[in-house]
Amino acid sequence: QVQLKESGPGLVQPSQTLSLTCTVSGFSLTSYSVHWVRQHSGKSLEWMGRMWSDGDTSYNSAFTSRLSISRDTSKSQVFLKMNSLQTEDTGTYYCARNQPRTGSWDYWGQGVMVTVSS
Amino acid sequence: DTVLTQSPALAVSPGERVTISCRASESVSTLMHWYQQKPGQQPTLLIYLASNLESGVPARFSGSGSGTDFTLTIDPVEADDTATYYCQQSWNDPLTFGSGTKLEIK
Repeated sequence: QVQLKESGPGLVQPSQTLSLTCTVSGFSLTSYSVHWVRQHSGKSLEWMGRMWSDGDTSYNSAFTSRLSISRDTSKSQVFLKMNSLQTEDTGTYYCARNQPRTGSWDYWGQGVMVTVSS
Repeated sequence: DTVLTQSPALAVSPGERVTISCRASESVSTLMHWYQQKPGQQPTLLIYLASNLESGVPARFSGSGSGTDFTLTIDPVEADDTATYYCQQSWNDPLTFGSGTKLEIK
């Protein structure tokens, strides 16, 4: 069955780099795009960027200068790296699969909570 | 960016019909999707392309609209529908979500 699971450190110090991994199963990264989205506590969802099935990437301009998304298809993993973290980057980070026929996100990971604090 | 505006909260009784609205700042055709997020959980897809019910989602949920005005309807509402509901557009980048409508069941 289709699954996505985020992993990474729960605590990051200000000005440091956040590294998250989304490990997928039940589908191929060469057939489906994967998005990263974050959610501040009690707030809405903010799209960060996507890894296209062809290996290309797209980013929300709000993050472009400090965000990088990459992948390892052999390990079925998509990576997020974001530098210069601030306390405002505290939140829950999700990866989600894009359904190419519709553009909707049909499967989501459980999310990983990240706290930026010294 | 395409801004999606939702009413912040609604409270209804079980068995009633509820409509949740989402207005886009520009036309998104029918590239609008609805998600349900229960406390402490990830969002789940309810409706895709404005009016199509995702597999496994109860037929009590339905969606309508095109262009800039969209509606999610739950009829009849059940206690388990307590959640926050988000609309999301995939018409253009950056992909955007509404602020969410928190549904309380009395």
